[in-house]
Amino acid sequence: QVQLQESGPGLVKPSETLSLTCTVSGGSISSYYWSWIRQPAGKGLEWIGHIYTSGSTNYNPSLKSRVTMSIDTSKNQFFLKLSSVTVADTAVYYCATEGGGSYWGHRFDPWGQGTLVTVSS
Amino acid sequence: QSALTQPASVSGSPGQSITISCSGTSSDVGGYNYVSWYQQHPTKAPKLMIYDVNNRPSGVSNRFSGSKSGNTASLTISGLQAEDEADYYCSSYTISSTLVFGTGTKVTVL
Repeated sequence: QVQLQESGPGLVKPSETLSLTCTVSGGSISSYYWSWIRQPAGKGLEWIGHIYTSGSTNYNPSLKSRVTMSIDTSKNQFFLKLSSVTVADTAVYYCATEGGGSYWGHRFDPWGQGTLVTVSS
Repeated sequence: QSALTQPASVSGSPGQSITISCSGTSSDVGGYNYVSWYQQHPTKAPKLMIYDVNNRPSGVSNRFSGSKSGNTASLTISGLQAEDEADYYCSSYTISSTLVFGTGTKVTVL
């Protein structure tokens, strides 16, 4: 079955750019939407945005000015960049897919295990 | 976009049924059947419990069911068990082609 794994620096300095990679195994990234979601400690889930295999994207309006997503189907990976980070961007970042098999809707399944990114000098 | 509104907490005794509401607008919950529900235990990634309002993924107990009326979706857990104690989040597709989560509900089994 499809599995997702986030990777990237666990510590980012304020004002710099957070960069994460999600590697997909057990299936092809050449279909469906692929999402990034984050969760600050003790708080709720926040959808950051998603990218389709064609490269088209939709972002959370509250983060849109700072977010860039991209995809590399040859490596079965998709990517998140969040610029000008502040301590408020400290969170566990998850990647997830919205489709699978014959399902082409919008549900998050499966999820990666999540990676903690701390913004601190 | 505003988060969907959920009660902060819901509790019940073992064997009872509880319902968690998820209130949105005609631009999200009310306008699409892409409402899903997630269970999250501490330090774990969320798990899909219900999708497309009332569909259960394989492997999810039939004690979990979903419904929608107007701009409000609901998750019902019947025969409450200790293992159901967790945080629950709803999610919906929106008119802006984005997705939005609910504020989250902590379920306590008394």
